[in-house]
Amino acid sequence: KNEVEQSPQNLTAQEGEFITINCSYSVGISALHWLQQHPGGGIVSLFMLSSGKKKHGRLIATINIQEKHSSLHITASHPRDSAVYICAVYNTDKLIFGTGTRLQVFP
Amino acid sequence: EPEVTQTPSHQVTQMGQEVILRCVPISNHLYFYWYRQILGQKVEFLVSFYNNEISEKSEIFDDQFSVERPDGSNFTLKIRSTKLEDSAMYFCASPGGAANTGELFFGEGSRLTVL
Repeated sequence: KNEVEQSPQNLTAQEGEFITINCSYSVGISALHWLQQHPGGGIVSLFMLSSGKKKHGRLIATINIQEKHSSLHITASHPRDSAVYICAVYNTDKLIFGTGTRLQVFP
Repeated sequence: EPEVTQTPSHQVTQMGQEVILRCVPISNHLYFYWYRQILGQKVEFLVSFYNNEISEKSEIFDDQFSVERPDGSNFTLKIRSTKLEDSAMYFCASPGGAANTGELFFGEGSRLTVL
C-alpha cells in the first residue's frame, strides 16, 4: 500500500469548474507539499502546509493533521491549469510522493 | 532565473557507463535532495544531503550511486555503472534554507536514457 494516496488519479473538467484533489497519508509527517508537474516534466512547488489552510490566487490547500488528509482546490479552473498535481509529505528527512492526479481542463 | 539548475538536460549512455548529473543552486542552499521519476511512474526519493553529508537515503540508493559537493556549490549525483532500469528523469531539489521551511525549488530535471 502506498504511504501517500491521491484521488482521483485522472480528472477532466470544463473551464470554470471547481476542482478538488484529495491526498491521504499513513505516515507521520512534519509538512506536506502540493506540487505541479507540467507535460515537459518540470516540477513547481505550489504550497507547503503543516496546518490549516493556505490560498494563492485561485488555488486553496487545506490539511487536517488528525485525519491525515489534505485537499487542493482550484476555483474557476482554466485550461492552463492542466497538469499533474502531486501531493508529497515530509517524513523524517525525505519527501514521500503520491502518484499524482492528472488534470485536464477543456475550454 | 531558476533557483536550481541541472545539467545535462538529457543524457544518453550505454549500459555499464558512468554518469554524473549536476545540480547548481543560485543562493546558499544547505539541503539538497535527489529524486527520480521513471517514465509513467511516481517520483521517488533517492537521497538527502545536508552540510556535505548524506542525511538519509532510500533503498534505491545502493552502492552504484554516490553524491558529492565537490566545490562547495555544485552538487553531483554519480551512477557508477548504469543499468537499463536507471533510465529515468532525475530531479534535484532544495528548500533554499533549513529543511521543511517553505517552498521547495526543483531543478528542471536531467533525463537519463540507458541503452
